Amino acid sequence: NAGVMQNPRHLVRRRGQEARLRCSPMKGHSHVYWYRQLPEEGLKFMVYLQKENIIDESGMPKERFSAEFPKEGPSILRIQQVVRGDSAAYFCASSPPGVGNTEAFFGQGTRLTVV
Amino acid sequence: AQRVTQPEKLLSVFKGAPVELKCNYSYSGSPELFWYVQYSRQRLQLLLRHISRESIKGFTADLNKGETSFHLKKPFAQEEDSAMYYCALSGHSNTPLVFGKGTRLSVIA
Repeated sequence: NAGVMQNPRHLVRRRGQEARLRCSPMKGHSHVYWYRQLPEEGLKFMVYLQKENIIDESGMPKERFSAEFPKEGPSILRIQQVVRGDSAAYFCASSPPGVGNTEAFFGQGTRLTVV
Repeated sequence: AQRVTQPEKLLSVFKGAPVELKCNYSYSGSPELFWYVQYSRQRLQLLLRHISRESIKGFTADLNKGETSFHLKKPFAQEEDSAMYYCALSGHSNTPLVFGKGTRLSVIA
């Protein structure tokens, strides 16, 4: 099991461009979580998805940010019209289905730099 | 409101000295508490969780509901313990984790 895979590891975008961050959960995991880490800050929850469903998006900015976890393929975090303040490390985590499974496994993160 | 507080950004100790990384939480209910560790250039990984009550790499953490704390302890620090440590809580199964800001532990030879 390769673990949670995120790509790209590093992404540079100019202001106004779009950023697409990908996350492939561990095999058998149906829950995906996205977190953002700003410099000198802890990880802040953004969105929680299951296959084809957004369960909790309370941490997502209201504009420009969206996330999906399609039936086939990786979960995508999409940031439209990026601004300098979007520069951060974005982490994805996955966990298996079922009650009692609270351990989340993390990817290595995507470091987004907006220039 | 759910909140996790790690008061120390940086903690430096000498090799062989005891270590205590502090974590306090705020949650109305019975949360699950975790410690995650991130070694240099590696991904965040679970170190231990309060419900398992086990010791990993010599580290232990006891949940104190009266003080709403979940401090991480190790009696004798090793150089390889140098890393970022994050305390986190979860309300119940599969709910998102709430993280503290992290403490960087530096073990000096």
